[in-house]
Amino acid sequence: EVQLVESGGGLVKPGGSLRLSCAASGFTFSTYSMNWVRQGPGKGLEWVSSLDYSSSYIYYADSVKGRFTISRDNTKNSLYLQMNSLRAEDTAIYYCARETGDSAMENAFDIWGQGTMVTVSS
Amino acid sequence: QMTQSPSSLSASVGDRVTITCRASRSISNYLNWYQQKPGKAPKLLIYAASSLQSGVPSRFSGSGFGTDFTLTISSLQPEDFATYYCQQNYHTLRTFGQGTKVEIK
Repeated sequence: EVQLVESGGGLVKPGGSLRLSCAASGFTFSTYSMNWVRQGPGKGLEWVSSLDYSSSYIYYADSVKGRFTISRDNTKNSLYLQMNSLRAEDTAIYYCARETGDSAMENAFDIWGQGTMVTVSS
Repeated sequence: QMTQSPSSLSASVGDRVTITCRASRSISNYLNWYQQKPGKAPKLLIYAASSLQSGVPSRFSGSGFGTDFTLTISSLQPEDFATYYCQQNYHTLRTFGQGTKVEIK
């Protein structure tokens, strides 16, 4: 079964750090671009970051650039999000999502994890 | 920037429902649609503006090019009450619309 499972969420104080993980199974992880998407309480979806299969191309939303770092370990079929200098507005469910598509036009997030909750509060 | 309208709508089972997504500048047909139910992860419905994702019922369809796009549900079913999001993948910084909540009338 194709699956993504996030972990590492929790309660952290403002200014603190947290590292999220996403374990992939059921597909050849090393051939797919991966993304992090978050959703604040009662809010819509916000794309956070992406990286290609080889970690050569990495992008961040302006809201997290300079504070978050996305990475992957293809030998462990895992995606990571290191979050530093956390703020109250980073409170959200964080989803990892696989990006697929035979061409750039067809790229879409076809597989999502169940999400992990991050709460930033004193 | 992606702008969806309406933000919410009330409809009855069997109704035809149309949701609009507008891009601030042309994105060709690099546009996807997702469905999200409460407490669940989003689900891909439509990619490349009009291509139906495998396993998605044919009552869902998408159209548009450039800056204006639509998601249509031809006959609303009870399981379709959810929030729908558009997303552009033309630019490397992916962005979502703010969502459209489809509620039961």
